[in-house]
Amino acid sequence: RKEVEQDPGPFNVPEGATVAFNCTYSNSASQSFFWYRQDCRKEPKLLMSVYSSGNEDGRFTAQLNRASQYISLLIRDSKLSDSATYLCVPLGGGATNKLIFGTGTLLAVQP
Amino acid sequence: DVKVTQSSRYLVKRTGEKVFLECVQDMDHENMFWYRQDPGLGLRLIYFSYDVKMKEKGDIPEGYSVSREKKERFSLILESASTNQTSMYLCASTADSYYGYTFGSGTRLTVV
Repeated sequence: RKEVEQDPGPFNVPEGATVAFNCTYSNSASQSFFWYRQDCRKEPKLLMSVYSSGNEDGRFTAQLNRASQYISLLIRDSKLSDSATYLCVPLGGGATNKLIFGTGTLLAVQP
Repeated sequence: DVKVTQSSRYLVKRTGEKVFLECVQDMDHENMFWYRQDPGLGLRLIYFSYDVKMKEKGDIPEGYSVSREKKERFSLILESASTNQTSMYLCASTADSYYGYTFGSGTRLTVV
């Protein structure tokens, strides 16, 4: 089983739509989680950190289900500028004190 | 804000050349990382360092070495560049992985 699994997409949605991405992780000892956004040919940038059951920042909501080892990212009222790849990134637990990067989900918001 | 600076955005090198990729961070972070990113494979960890003069192999260290002589600088070295090392190279740093990493803007290396 992969350490982090994401649907690669692409998710093609119209402007204004609500879209959700799912991510599963294999290390039950992971204590913190991140969503990074990566634009084409650019570096990943931290979008949101999740330390408890979830986090909300404007149009973005992340939810964590530790029992199912599942994280989601919800984007409301999608904008053209939200088009990017979204990386699910748990912090490896135990001796693996490093971030584990998923391969990302591609979002394309259409006008 | 933390700034992580990679010395080159684009590099073209010939097969067999020794290549140095430099990364400098300005926030006194102990932890620094080198990744490569290829389409469909995501970010793969090459080497990392938790302190000056300390280095640890990541998942794909073959063909690479690193140097950390000063806390702010972490260099990736391709001893003899090969075409399969054509990739996007990303440097990252953090004071504590619990809070995530900050990435440099990346170096797109082409080996011909």
